[in-house]
Amino acid sequence: AQSVAQPEDQVNVAEGNPLTVKCTYSVSGNPYLFWYVQYPNRGLQFLLKYITGDNLVKGSYGFEAEFNKSQTSFHLKKPSALVSDSALYFCAVRGGDSSYKLIFGSGTRLLVRP
Amino acid sequence: NAGVTQTPKFQVLKTGQSMTLQCAQDMNHEYMSWYRQDPGMGLRLIHYSVGAGITDQGEVPNGYNVSRSTTEDFPLRLLSAAPSQTSVYFCASSVQGAGYTIYFGEGSWLTVV
Repeated sequence: AQSVAQPEDQVNVAEGNPLTVKCTYSVSGNPYLFWYVQYPNRGLQFLLKYITGDNLVKGSYGFEAEFNKSQTSFHLKKPSALVSDSALYFCAVRGGDSSYKLIFGSGTRLLVRP
Repeated sequence: NAGVTQTPKFQVLKTGQSMTLQCAQDMNHEYMSWYRQDPGMGLRLIHYSVGAGITDQGEVPNGYNVSRSTTEDFPLRLLSAAPSQTSVYFCASSVQGAGYTIYFGEGSWLTVV
């Protein structure tokens, strides 16, 4: 069965510093990995995804994520955080024997302080 | 571009009442799904559909029914609302295939008292 773990409930970072939001996954076969962001009282917005190819994936708003197959991780990164990046971030996986289902992690709240 | 449209945005129900959350998409997507979001638990899949006339259960299907009579619409029915169904509900859709991005509606906030 597919599963996703986001080990940190909250990540705090100062504006201008780099940020990392961690995600590990478990799926049989090839994983399709996604990051979404949720602002208060809004739906989920797609940030980026890994399907195949280059392990470093670039997405919206300056975010990128690195796929590491040996560590089964897909960490979200940004070189320089903005206060406006403060939101709830979800990692999700699709693939394996339940290829249609998108399974989410529990979410990580990112707080960027001025 | 309408995308995925959910109605209503907010709803308060009494225990035992029934209601339907509506979801429509205008992108001709084969795959549609319903999630519920609860604090600290992420989004959990309730039901999903891979095309008109085809539905299947997700992780937390109990207390909910779905049908898919057209490609565009995927309503979620609460048969007899319970306080445990107080949650935020999201409808989502995508093109068929695991590598395609799933797009979400803006959510429906449901409170059962």
